[in-house]
Amino acid sequence: DVKVTQSSRYLVKRTGEKVFLECVQDMDHENMFWYRQDPGLGLRLIYFSYDVKMKEKGDIPEGYSVSREKKERFSLILESASTNQTSMYLCASSLGQGLRYEQYFGPGTRLTVT
Amino acid sequence: GDSVTQMEGPVTLSEEAFLTINCTYTATGYPSLFWYVQYPGEGLQLLLKATKADDKGSNKGFEATYRKETTSFHLEKGSVQVSDSAVYFCALSDRRDDKIIFGKGTRLHILP
Repeated sequence: DVKVTQSSRYLVKRTGEKVFLECVQDMDHENMFWYRQDPGLGLRLIYFSYDVKMKEKGDIPEGYSVSREKKERFSLILESASTNQTSMYLCASSLGQGLRYEQYFGPGTRLTVT
Repeated sequence: GDSVTQMEGPVTLSEEAFLTINCTYTATGYPSLFWYVQYPGEGLQLLLKATKADDKGSNKGFEATYRKETTSFHLEKGSVQVSDSAVYFCALSDRRDDKIIFGKGTRLHILP
C-alpha cells in the first residue's frame, strides 16, 4: 500500500514565523501535491511537483513556497505565517507519467496561526 | 474549465437506509472519475474510480457508474452503516495533466 506521511498532525505557530510542513511518500511516485482544506471551500491546490526540483503553482500559491530536493519528500514553506493561513494542509502523491491518476493522501496537518 | 458539482450536505440518514450522493461534472475530453472519502480527523482515501463511459466502480458496498450522456457519477449504497459517516468528495482528472479537480464535499451523518 502507498503510504504518505506528514511530519505533524497538529501545529501551532505565531504570526510571522517561518513554518515548514514536510511530506514523505514511500512508493516512488513522480507527482506530489499540497492542498489546503477549508470549510465550505473544499480542497484547493497550492503547489505541485512532477519531478525532483520541479514545481508548479496551483490555484492559491500566494504566501507559500515549496521544495523538492528528493523524490520522496515535498516540503511546503510558509515564509511568514499569517492568521489567514490557519487551515488543514493535505499532501498527496500520484504515480505520474500519465499512467494512473488517482492521488494518495497523507493524514493532514492542522495548522493554527495565532 | 473543468469542474465538479456535488450535492450540498449535510445528508442525514438512518442506519440501513439507501444512500445517493449526486455528482455531475463538466470536462472536455474523457476524464477519469473518482470518489474519495474523508473520515473524521483523517486525510482523503480513494473509495472507487471509473476510467471510461459505462464503467462501474465499486468498493465497500458503494457503487458509482460513469454516465457520459448525463455527465454524472452518482455514489450509491444500498444499506448504510454508522461507520459510513464521513465527508465524500467527487473528483475528476482530465488526463491532460496529472491534477485532480475536486467537488466541495458532502458530509454524511448516519444515525443508529
